[in-house]
Amino acid sequence: DAGVIQSPRHEVTEMGQEVTLRCKPISGHDYLFWYRQTMMRGLELLIYFNNNVPIDDSGMPEDRFSAKMPNASFSTLKIQPSEPRDSAVYFCASNPGGGNEQYFGPGTRLTVT
Amino acid sequence: DQQVKQNSPSLSVQEGRISILNCDYTNSMFDYFLWYKKYPAEGPTFLISISSIKDKNEDGRFTVFLNKSAKHLSLHIVPSQPGDSAVYFCAAGGSQGNLIFGKGTKLSVKP
Repeated sequence: DAGVIQSPRHEVTEMGQEVTLRCKPISGHDYLFWYRQTMMRGLELLIYFNNNVPIDDSGMPEDRFSAKMPNASFSTLKIQPSEPRDSAVYFCASNPGGGNEQYFGPGTRLTVT
Repeated sequence: DQQVKQNSPSLSVQEGRISILNCDYTNSMFDYFLWYKKYPAEGPTFLISISSIKDKNEDGRFTVFLNKSAKHLSLHIVPSQPGDSAVYFCAAGGSQGNLIFGKGTKLSVKP
């Protein structure tokens, strides 16, 4: 298996632009998680899905952030409009359910200037 | 307020010696605890876990100890190797299925 796939790996954009991050979980995994990593706050959970349904989005910082999972093999995290404080590494992870280990993608490094 | 805390941002150890990474938590409802290892420009990778009903789990050079009364867990690496140099994250989970991560400890193992 290729593991969790994220794209793009790096994204540089200007303040005010829309940013879309993409994730393909491991096939057969029922759970998908979006995390953000910053120096100040560490690795924080933004939202997670179970069988394509959002379960907990309490970690989404504000309305500028939205996430979708239209099918079992694809999810997006969108920021509109983006701000410099959104600069961070965004990770996607998946889990087969029934266990506790999560498998992480390589991350997307987002820089908003 | 942080539910999972790693109070040491960094740790330096000599090759061959023991590395001890510590983690404290506040929520007594956590069912299991995990350690992840992260290299630069990569995602975190699972290392070892422990259920709340156990106090020790061992996998090769890695051992995790859980002290529920103190709400404290630790990861021991013996012997430490230069390839172990990475950031180590402690994480805790419950029945919800999500994980709460600490901020990480950067381990440097010097040859």
